[in-house]
Amino acid sequence: NAGVTQTPKFRILKIGQSMTLQCAQDMNHNYMYWYRQDPGMGLKLIYYSVGAGITDKGEVPNGYNVSRSTTEDFPLRLELAAPSQTSVYFCASKDSTGELFFGEGSRLTVL
Amino acid sequence: GNSVTQMEGPVTLSEEAFLTINCTYTATGYPSLFWYVQYPGEGLQLLLKATKADDKGSNKGFEATYRKETTSFHLEKGSVQVSDSAVYFCALSDRKAGTALIFGKGTTLSVSS
Repeated sequence: NAGVTQTPKFRILKIGQSMTLQCAQDMNHNYMYWYRQDPGMGLKLIYYSVGAGITDKGEVPNGYNVSRSTTEDFPLRLELAAPSQTSVYFCASKDSTGELFFGEGSRLTVL
Repeated sequence: GNSVTQMEGPVTLSEEAFLTINCTYTATGYPSLFWYVQYPGEGLQLLLKATKADDKGSNKGFEATYRKETTSFHLEKGSVQVSDSAVYFCALSDRKAGTALIFGKGTTLSVSS
């Protein structure tokens, strides 16, 4: 009964460091998304994928990269972390009815 | 572009009070509309949805009707409980961007006993 699994749940980075947020889903969904959530700002779309090998930018892609080598996995890479990337990151996948299933989130702090 | 506007919070109510959270949208075409709920420390989960005009979505005592003429999708519940305390997000599907959901900023609901 896993659904969408994100790791790590918490991470502290220093400015300029890099890291990858992992996301995996076991529902065989083609569509996957990365959002960031900042207080009082709702969720902003970073990147999305409509299937293995296909990715595209969302509203706020700068400073991030993604890959989609398999249907299950959709990692988000942060290069040269900046304080502005301090946020809570949510991965989601979408089923055929349009419902999004979210992971529990990854809280990232950049100091 | 497409957007969602929902009422600012926080909304503070006593148990058994009536709840309305307003949501209006701007979109081309006829998007599907959603309400998601986020409990503390958790991800978002679908509360209800409507896929066409005049549809009513309902779940756990919550209801929302897709009103095309007023471009609205207001969330209502007749009698709230302490366990309903959470952040509520209105969203619409964007036919671009891989049909990603565009979210409002969220409304925090706090219910006291």
